[in-house]
Amino acid sequence: QVHLVQSGPEVKRPGASVKVSCRSSGSTFNTYYVHWVRQAPGQGLEWMGIITPSGGFTSYAQNFQGRVSVTRDTSTSTVYMELSSLRFEDTAIYFCATSTPEADKGAFDIWGQGTMVTVSS
Amino acid sequence: DIQMTQSPSTLSASVGDRVTITCRASQSIGSWLAWYQQKPGKAPKLLIYKASTLESGVPSRFSGSGSGTEFTLTISSLQPDDFATYYCQQYNSYFGGGTKVEIK
Repeated sequence: QVHLVQSGPEVKRPGASVKVSCRSSGSTFNTYYVHWVRQAPGQGLEWMGIITPSGGFTSYAQNFQGRVSVTRDTSTSTVYMELSSLRFEDTAIYFCATSTPEADKGAFDIWGQGTMVTVSS
Repeated sequence: DIQMTQSPSTLSASVGDRVTITCRASQSIGSWLAWYQQKPGKAPKLLIYKASTLESGVPSRFSGSGSGTEFTLTISSLQPDDFATYYCQQYNSYFGGGTKVEIK
């Protein structure tokens, strides 16, 4: 069973970049597509993007095009989300999430615990 | 991009009530619709996928229906643990704006 563990909270200045990690101890993690979702304080869920199991393909929501990069290190079973040119409105909890491949649910049945990113001057 | 619209945004109900939440897609998504429950400070929890399939371990008072562009989540008899925010999601991507179910 895949279990997702994210890196700790971050505080960044406007204009800086942040890189959040999502690691799994499960041996099959490298067969999972991984998504990133964020939630600003008091707001809804916002899908950011996806990376394929091999890490060879990514797709991003239009709102984040040009500012987000999702990468994957299969040797350490870790996925990274980097967001650049941070703005105050990027203050949010960032979640990684995935879907059990063989179940074909089209939905996220496994979530990380979330990483709080605060953008503050 | 396909837009997902939920209604209502807030719903006040009492324990034992039957509750229905609607989600509309801006174009047909077949049955690729999921529902999540989220409580404050927690990650969302998958309740229903493929419009009507109950996730393992989710109580049977939750049900989903619909296809194409209109979907509903129904809670047949609201329990104290069900006061939370609910989100719909199209296939592995965009979410609706959420429906907060509050105590009446």
